[in-house]
Amino acid sequence: DTEVTQTPKHLVMGMTNKKSLKCEQHMGHRAMYWYKQKAKKPPELMFVYSYEKLSINESVPSRFSPECPNSSLLNLHLHALQPEDSALYLCASSQDHRPKDYEQYFGPGTRLTVT
Amino acid sequence: AQSVTQPDIHITVSEGASLELRCNYSYGATPYLFWYVQSPGQGLQLLLKYFSGDTLVQGIKGFEAEFKRSQSSFNLRKPSVHWSDAAEYFCAVGTGNQFYFGTGTSLTVIP
Repeated sequence: DTEVTQTPKHLVMGMTNKKSLKCEQHMGHRAMYWYKQKAKKPPELMFVYSYEKLSINESVPSRFSPECPNSSLLNLHLHALQPEDSALYLCASSQDHRPKDYEQYFGPGTRLTVT
Repeated sequence: AQSVTQPDIHITVSEGASLELRCNYSYGATPYLFWYVQSPGQGLQLLLKYFSGDTLVQGIKGFEAEFKRSQSSFNLRKPSVHWSDAAEYFCAVGTGNQFYFGTGTSLTVIP
């Protein structure tokens, strides 16, 4: 199984809502990533979890809160978002968080719209 | 500064024609190099990767890429493009504990 799944596919939320994005992989990968992607732009790294511990936070606003409940699951909790946070949110995983293991497998993404 | 450059923002080719997408990087050591493809509204799919060894690497969907150390390049090629190849293509580099995407090249295929 080389699949990364993400739910929901689409999400519309108001600026006062609280919602969560979910990501799951069953490849035994020990590194998982959240990216934000705006239209016609490359993915921007937000967070990296390595062995279920947060190893990289790319200065992401606190209204985005990641969580890694176990080695297969990654969540992104959203609260008090702004319209400019509307984007495609991609989850990815890799064997490990080392250069030779940087072959990342991406999920299909969650299209988030903040109204 | 470390960077990944894809000089061509948009390329249009005819179906059946050959394709070359350019990628240049600037790093001190040989990085780990990747090409990803993204269809509209979808996630990214790995086409191929280069870690070491043979500088010509074969990937999925008939793509290949050649690593040229002297030019700091890792260009993607396909001898005959199919309409389904229309997508966004990202070159990426892994080095140290960082992973960088290029800005992407949008490919249009005309019949």
